[in-house]
Amino acid sequence: SQKIEQNSEALNIQEGKTATLTCNYTNYSPAYLQWYRQDPGRGPVFLLLIRENEKEKRKERLKVTFDTTLKQSLFHITASQPADSATYLCALLSSGGSYIPTFGRGTSLIVHP
Amino acid sequence: DAGVTQSPTHLIKTRGQHVTLRCSPISGHKSVSWYQQVLGQGPQFIFQYYEKEERGRGNFPDRFSARQFPNYSSELNVNALLLGDSALYLCASSSQGTTNEKLFFGSGTQLSVL
Repeated sequence: SQKIEQNSEALNIQEGKTATLTCNYTNYSPAYLQWYRQDPGRGPVFLLLIRENEKEKRKERLKVTFDTTLKQSLFHITASQPADSATYLCALLSSGGSYIPTFGRGTSLIVHP
Repeated sequence: DAGVTQSPTHLIKTRGQHVTLRCSPISGHKSVSWYQQVLGQGPQFIFQYYEKEERGRGNFPDRFSARQFPNYSSELNVNALLLGDSALYLCASSSQGTTNEKLFFGSGTQLSVL
């Protein structure tokens, strides 16, 4: 069955360091992959989309990589700040799934000052 | 421009009752979708509507229904509430039809079933 895995344990890092979050998937052929940020009690906020034929995407301090051979996406936040503390969700969309996003459970990032 | 708005923000119901949740998409967005998010999990797809027609339905029982109005706002209805229906219900809108390349979420309705 299709499965999306994100680290269930919180990631704790020091301010200024690079945070790297992982999204692994199985039994899925995504057309594209999205990353969202979610703060407690709020809805997810779209951050980045990367397509199956793209290896890397950047936006300001954010970088996403997509390896369809490894079936993995990495999400990096450089020069992390306490304000980056949140839960980060990945979502996969495929044409076979009518482009309905399937979300992982998210990884909590805590940036310590 | 206003973002996606949902009402009410919080709701407490008892088992067996019925609930209606409302969503107004971003102006110009014709696609609205609904998600259920249980604490500690990612959002799970319930419905998608585009141009007032149902374009997708997730693995939820028939107690869940929805509709989209001519102004593209939407309602999610849940009948015969169960304790397990307690969750954050999220509405998302998109300007890209049904490809969902970028979803804009509301802040959700927190439903508690006692």
